[in-house]
Amino acid sequence: TQLLEQSPQFLSIQEGENLTVYCNSSSVFSSLQWYRQEPGEGPVLLVTVVTGGEVKKLKRLTFQFGDARKDSSLHITAAQPGDTGLYLCAGARDDYKLSFGAGTTVTVRA
Amino acid sequence: KAGVTQTPRYLIKTRGQQVTLSCSPISGHRSVSWYQQTPGQGLQFLFEYFSETQRNKGNFPGRFSGRQFSNSRSEMNVSTLELGDSALYLCASSLDSPHYEQYFGPGTRLTVT
Repeated sequence: TQLLEQSPQFLSIQEGENLTVYCNSSSVFSSLQWYRQEPGEGPVLLVTVVTGGEVKKLKRLTFQFGDARKDSSLHITAAQPGDTGLYLCAGARDDYKLSFGAGTTVTVRA
Repeated sequence: KAGVTQTPRYLIKTRGQQVTLSCSPISGHRSVSWYQQTPGQGLQFLFEYFSETQRNKGNFPGRFSGRQFSNSRSEMNVSTLELGDSALYLCASSLDSPHYEQYFGPGTRLTVT
């Protein structure tokens, strides 16, 4: 059983549309991270959110950490083909372990 | 700064053999973690080394082992390979920070036949 549940598992949208990926857990995390992985490569860190209720923006990407520090969302505005990839959330706890979600595969069609 | 490097990038082995994978972390990073990634199970944590000591371990059998050297480079060994060990093995390095952000290498694609 995954400690972090991501939804949806797959997402296919047209260029220019918006999308949201969710990451939920019943556990509290000291911080939550989002990574993007492209085929044949390792995941790349996009952002770390630390404070409950925190919102971070990275160009067209908006990340939110839930007030209770148990969940997070990633919203992409006006998606582009370059946003295609596997998006992974990961929660950090005090024991130096990261728990990863199963990932959301995003495909943006031109 | 150079990123995390892993060698080899691709490997084909036969069931029953053993394999050693290598990882060089980002300069200054003393923590190295290993993950197994498969389509069915996603990203699964194997173990983490910090200053040559195993600090954390995931739920994998004893056939999976690792070590870290004084220069922070790490190796992972899998003995008596099984078909189910076919996967992408990712190494990640990290500063010893409370948020434990991971910087991943490109991975080693292991195929067991």
